[in-house]
Amino acid sequence: KAGVTQTPRYLIKTRGQQVTLSCSPISGHRSVSWYQQTPGQGLQFLFEYFSETQRNKGNFPGRFSGRQFSNSRSEMNVSTLELGDSALYLCASSAGAVRTEAFFGQGTRLTVV
Amino acid sequence: AQSVTQLGSHVSVSEGALVLLRCNYSSSVPPYLFWYVQYPNQGLQLLLKYTTGATLVKGINGFEAEFKKSETSFHLTKPSAHMSDAAEYFCAVSDFNDYKLSFGAGTTVTVRA
Repeated sequence: KAGVTQTPRYLIKTRGQQVTLSCSPISGHRSVSWYQQTPGQGLQFLFEYFSETQRNKGNFPGRFSGRQFSNSRSEMNVSTLELGDSALYLCASSAGAVRTEAFFGQGTRLTVV
Repeated sequence: AQSVTQLGSHVSVSEGALVLLRCNYSSSVPPYLFWYVQYPNQGLQLLLKYTTGATLVKGINGFEAEFKKSETSFHLTKPSAHMSDAAEYFCAVSDFNDYKLSFGAGTTVTVRA
């Protein structure tokens, strides 16, 4: 059974640009969550989707957005990139809710220069 | 909102010695509790979880944790450290009606030969 796949693994962008990250969950999983990991703030929840509906959202500015497709694949978008957006972005998939068990991808390392 | 506190950002142990990582949560209602491990440049891997039932939970790689409601704690232990245990460990909590994980700041474990 394939795990959670995140693409790309590494990304370098310039301030002011926008970026789209992709996450393919484990087959059969309908919940996808996104987290931002930085040395200063640690792991912070961005948002969670289930069956194309956002069920929960973290405390991030509107520049951060996401969506989920009918095949459960998810994308997150960050517009008008800032240096502080440099982070490891992790995607997690679960069958129904994270309390069941969340499986994480290897992450996308975003560097904003 | 749920939160977790991990005591000690760094722990150094000798190979073969006991590993003890501390985690306390804030909640009047027992939440769902998790321990994850992260190796460099990798995503998070679930070590073990507590949802309901037995308070002593056994996980992968010889780790176990005990849920103590009276102390609001969920400490992680391993009787004998191995070099491969060197990694960063995160305690996380989720509410029943929540769809996100709230993580502690993490504890980096170093294993000395």
